[in-house]
Amino acid sequence: AQSVTQPDIHITVSEGASLELRCNYSYGATPYLFWYVQSPGQGLQLLLKYFSGDTLVQGIKGFEAEFKRSQSSFNLRKPSVHWSDAAEYFCAVIGSTLGRLYFGRGTQLTVWP
Amino acid sequence: GAVVSQHPSWVICKSGTSVKIECRSLDFQATTMFWYRQFPKQSLMLMATSNEGSKATYEQGVEKDKFLINHASLTLSTLTVTSAHPEDSSFYICSARAGDREETQYFGPGTRLLVL
Repeated sequence: AQSVTQPDIHITVSEGASLELRCNYSYGATPYLFWYVQSPGQGLQLLLKYFSGDTLVQGIKGFEAEFKRSQSSFNLRKPSVHWSDAAEYFCAVIGSTLGRLYFGRGTQLTVWP
Repeated sequence: GAVVSQHPSWVICKSGTSVKIECRSLDFQATTMFWYRQFPKQSLMLMATSNEGSKATYEQGVEKDKFLINHASLTLSTLTVTSAHPEDSSFYICSARAGDREETQYFGPGTRLLVL
């Protein structure tokens, strides 16, 4: 069965510092992987996705993620965090049934000024 | 592109009444739409998957007679919470997928429901 693990519930970084949010997935075939961001009281915005090809994918707002099949990971990174990046981040994988998304529990990012 | 809207953004209703939430894909045709429920500080819980012109597929534990889903057109799906009770209060989010070969889901801004 498909599943996604985000081991960090809450991460705090200083503005300007680098960021890495961890995501591990469990899926038997080649996964379709996504990172979404959610601001309080809002829907989810797609940051980036990986379907195939280059394992380092670039997204919006300066984010990137690297797919590592050997580690079943798809970690999200940003070299310099801005205060506006404070939000909830969800990693997700497409399952095989009707294109259903399986979400991780989310990582809350706090940015100190 | 790929914008999804929801209406209303928030609603307060009395216990026992029904509430309808609309989900629209504004600039693409959505063959499949999904309805999620999100509790505070938790991840999204898939409630049902709806395909245009057919009955919705509900997840285990979701009452189909309680949460009525209609996907009458390629740009509109509705979720009706029937005989709402306080425990139905939640944040409801829809998403839409452009086609059978398009795996990306685009999410609406969500609807906050409060049942008094």
